[in-house]
Amino acid sequence: DIQMTQSPSSLSASVGDTVTIACRASQSVNKHLNWYQCKPGKAPKLLIYAASSLQSGVPSRFSGGGSGTDFTLTISSLHPEDFATYYCQQTFITWTFGQGTKVEIK
Amino acid sequence: QVHLVQSGAEVRKPGASVKVSCKASGYTFTVNDIHWVRQAPGQGLEWMGRINPNNGGTKFAQKFHGRVTMTRDTSISTAYMELSRLRSDDTAVYYCAREDIVLVTGIYYYQMDVWGQGTTVTVSS
Repeated sequence: DIQMTQSPSSLSASVGDTVTIACRASQSVNKHLNWYQCKPGKAPKLLIYAASSLQSGVPSRFSGGGSGTDFTLTISSLHPEDFATYYCQQTFITWTFGQGTKVEIK
Repeated sequence: QVHLVQSGAEVRKPGASVKVSCKASGYTFTVNDIHWVRQAPGQGLEWMGRINPNNGGTKFAQKFHGRVTMTRDTSISTAYMELSRLRSDDTAVYYCAREDIVLVTGIYYYQMDVWGQGTTVTVSS
């Protein structure tokens, strides 16, 4: 299986900050990489697909980049509702998720 | 509007089985694969497998081989996930999700665009 490793595991930030989360694959997944937002008690929400395409209805402050093995999710100007846990997911071979990155309020 | 509605919470003893349903509405059920993902308390998301509602074909994550069964009933647009020989570490919220396929610069990309509300399965003696 392809292993997905996210960094950091958690981070503290303030409203208005820009944060970047990294995701590394154990082998190339080309651009078959998605990002999801998870909040307690709610179903995960698709943010980014194909590494950098914004899902319909998702605010433009969310952006994704990368290809091959290294990817990033950037949230520009954090809003209060953005404090959540974020997961990357590869869909190149037998889908797998990263371990998650929790974005907390500083 | 596309919706996936899952069955209610379940409690099982170790060694038992549980079957969770996922009813689709708002789209043609046989067009999109249905995936199952779980999240144990305090843990991350774990992909379990998927079913093609059109032909019933399935694919599972290696760790669930032999313990998980995924089926569907196209007459009622419902997918099912059954997990057997339950252990305490199977306690989790189980989600179904619809697979979406998008063509981007000539390549097809896959993602889960609509999710069910989740079903809590508790395994306890």
